[in-house]
Amino acid sequence: KNEVEQSPQNLTAQEGEFITINCSYSVGISALHWLQQHPGGGIVSLFMLSSGKKKHGRLIATINIQEKHSSLHITASHPRDSAVYICAVKTGFGNEKLTFGTGTRLTIIP
Amino acid sequence: GAVVSQHPSRVICKSGTSVKIECRSLDFQATTMFWYRQFPKQSLMLMATSNEGSKATYEQGVEKDKFLINHASLTLSTLTVTSAHPEDSSFYICSALLDSQETQYFGPGTRLLVL
Repeated sequence: KNEVEQSPQNLTAQEGEFITINCSYSVGISALHWLQQHPGGGIVSLFMLSSGKKKHGRLIATINIQEKHSSLHITASHPRDSAVYICAVKTGFGNEKLTFGTGTRLTIIP
Repeated sequence: GAVVSQHPSRVICKSGTSVKIECRSLDFQATTMFWYRQFPKQSLMLMATSNEGSKATYEQGVEKDKFLINHASLTLSTLTVTSAHPEDSSFYICSALLDSQETQYFGPGTRLLVL
């Protein structure tokens, strides 16, 4: 079993829909990252969370440390949101290495 | 801010040759950079941690003589794939750690194809 699991693996939705991507992890963490990888391969860091909730534009990320679970939400989804979304966890304080989930491929249809 | 570049973005080479990939942090200094490899439809796999002024730390199963890493300055790390073979064909991504934010910023990646 992977230390970081994401669901769903693939998600197709219509433009405007509210999107939720889930991440569960089985190890203790010091922080969790949500990353976005576009079809060309470039990766953008969206959020780093250690507790609670963060919002940036149409993106919202939440984390529940007790349940070892995080969600990434996209409101009013748009075709340009189509990408692979990757959850990654940092497992140690002072240890900057990340453990990655397998990603969720999101496709937004106009 | 916090931009990381990689060069080249794409390279095709013949089997047996060596290929050097550069990773630069453009607007911040990074004592730590990471090198990842990604196969199609798979997630990133950490190859090594590059430390400025010292030897890189390689993950289990990654051959250090095959993948040479040099972190000679606070803004540049290089990965050299020596004697490349077709199985080395992959997408290589670097990241640079911005200490003040405890966040890795990723480069755009280098797609390597070995013929």
